[in-house]
Amino acid sequence: GAVVSQHPSRVICKSGTSVKIECRSLDFQATTMFWYRQFPKQSLMLMATSNEGSKATYEQGVEKDKFLINHASLTLSTLTVTSAHPEDSSFYICSARYPLQEGPTDTQYFGPGTRLTVL
Amino acid sequence: KNQVEQSPQSLIILEGKNCTLQCNYTVSPFSNLRWYKQDTGRGPVSLTIMTFSENTKSNGRYTATLDADTKQSSLHITASQLSDSASYICVVSAGDSNYQLIWGAGTKLIIKP
Repeated sequence: GAVVSQHPSRVICKSGTSVKIECRSLDFQATTMFWYRQFPKQSLMLMATSNEGSKATYEQGVEKDKFLINHASLTLSTLTVTSAHPEDSSFYICSARYPLQEGPTDTQYFGPGTRLTVL
Repeated sequence: KNQVEQSPQSLIILEGKNCTLQCNYTVSPFSNLRWYKQDTGRGPVSLTIMTFSENTKSNGRYTATLDADTKQSSLHITASQLSDSASYICVVSAGDSNYQLIWGAGTKLIIKP
């Protein structure tokens, strides 16, 4: 199946610093990627939808100035957590929609996730 | 309000046994229902996806059922293996223009030898 990678797999940073997480579709081009956040023992929560070449669409309650998303190419989307605080500590997962499958039964491939710990 | 509820929250069974996980949803309009397997610290992997007209779909030892009338789905795992230990998440796609995915909280399954 298609492969989506994330880098780094885990990061520990100090409060107030910014952290960038990369999401890459390795063997297909994805015009649409999604960013999720998952807290312990909870399910995934969609943060934003990232479209190549245009601004990301953020879900209600997600601060766009804090979680900067850049989808500069068809294989790369980045999420930057700016001025991170301990409450931003979470598991961040991206997914990429398989091309030409925009629609209700689209196939999304998920990355392995990035564990962010803010001290 | 669109919701997906799963039961049980957690389940422990012995290797080789069968089990069934439940999913109830109140999502309207309904488009499709998906089951994902998520290993600890990893991203979800798709197991099955069923549209309104499908009432059963298999993927190896995994069999999902869908009753669109009662808005219930189940995931049956046969002859469980240690590698089946994971969280199983039921996800319903709303039939709106955004194809919004409504995620359940998951069932944590532990297989013991």
